[in-house]
Amino acid sequence: DTGVSQDPRHKITKRGQNVTFRCDPISEHNRLYWYRQTLGQGPEFLTYFQNEAQLEKSRLLSDRFSAERPKGSFSTLEIQRTEQGDSAMYLCASSQGGGGMVHEQYFGPGTRLTVT
Amino acid sequence: SQQGEEDPQALSIQEGENATMNCSYKTSINNLQWYRQNSGRGLVHLILIRSNEREKHSGRLRVTLDTSKKSSSLLITASRAADTASYFCATPTRGNQGGKLIFGQGTELSVKP
Repeated sequence: DTGVSQDPRHKITKRGQNVTFRCDPISEHNRLYWYRQTLGQGPEFLTYFQNEAQLEKSRLLSDRFSAERPKGSFSTLEIQRTEQGDSAMYLCASSQGGGGMVHEQYFGPGTRLTVT
Repeated sequence: SQQGEEDPQALSIQEGENATMNCSYKTSINNLQWYRQNSGRGLVHLILIRSNEREKHSGRLRVTLDTSKKSSSLLITASRAADTASYFCATPTRGNQGGKLIFGQGTELSVKP
């Protein structure tokens, strides 16, 4: 396994368009996370899944954002009616979670979104 | 909102010198993690220290944790140009051992050859 992968790596879109990003986690990991990072800041949590269940969503995740993990493997993050403020790096991470154990998260390379 | 605050925000040193970065956090924690991010790339996990540990080593990295002061430090010894990156501390939210991480704003380290 080569780690967490994300597609596309870069996306430029016009304001008002919809975009969808994909994340493929490490295959044996049951948890998958989405974060957003703007320049000069640390990543901010958006949402996470355990298997196919979405367990938590940040208030940052407005109604225009939706995430899915239909079969508990890959995940998609869709942003509808993009705004310039959505421009950021979108990071995906995965981990083996649950059972009260603490596990580090493995991050993908990110998708850089630019909304013009 | 950001849980941790790193200090300094930027650090520039010569190759071979040691680099120390500090992190303060607000709420009680089960563990604290340090990550590295090269420019424009994803984050790489460096080290995890549990709340009942005071110090941990991994190669040239040394992490300390003081839960009474709600602070941690990351020391990189004998730095190399390849250590140039941003370093973040992160904590799981209270009572959530495997869920979301709350990151600080990071320390940008520059190691000059």
